[in-house]
Amino acid sequence: AQRVTQPEKLLSVFKGAPVELKCNYSYSGSPELFWYVQYSRQRLQLLLRHISRESIKGFTADLNKGETSFHLKKPFAQEEDSAMYYCALEAGGTSYGKLTFGQGTILTVHP
Amino acid sequence: GAGVSQSPSNKVTEKGKDVELRCDPISGHTALYWYRQSLGQGLEFLIYFQGNSAPDKSGLPSDRFSAERTGGSVSTLTIQRTQQEDSAVYLCASTLAGASGNTIYFGEGSWLTVV
Repeated sequence: AQRVTQPEKLLSVFKGAPVELKCNYSYSGSPELFWYVQYSRQRLQLLLRHISRESIKGFTADLNKGETSFHLKKPFAQEEDSAMYYCALEAGGTSYGKLTFGQGTILTVHP
Repeated sequence: GAGVSQSPSNKVTEKGKDVELRCDPISGHTALYWYRQSLGQGLEFLIYFQGNSAPDKSGLPSDRFSAERTGGSVSTLTIQRTQQEDSAVYLCASTLAGASGNTIYFGEGSWLTVV
């Protein structure tokens, strides 16, 4: 069975500081990994996925299969980045979009 | 077009009562999912529909929980004889097809409080 771990429930940084939200996973196959974000009073939405290798709102995440990690990074945090962030894994094969989520990290960016 | 729509947005019910939560997915989305978001448990998968059938019900926590989907569209999650531990936000999500890698769109959730 797959598992996603986000070790930090809370993370606080000041505006302009770098931020890294940690995510580790366990899965024997080739996973697809995602970061979802939930801003205050808004619905959960996709932030980025590893296969796209994209940067969204200044955030990037690199899949490290050796360390089984998919940490989310941003070099200069902004106040509007304050939100709940979830790392999620989709097992390969016939897992039809079923996601396993981490516990989430609440990021607070102080002015 | 509209996103995933859920109702009610908030529901307070007495312990032992039955509740029904409704999800209206994005038009044309054949795959539909229910998740539960609760304090201390994070986001848990409950059930997956492809069309009207549910090939994966593995996340339903007990036989008090059931769900159906009709016409390949609207889905209803029913919780019978509610317990306080059922208090959570119930999220519905949909995607174009049940395949790996598709973007999954979430509703705003139904916040259930059992008193």
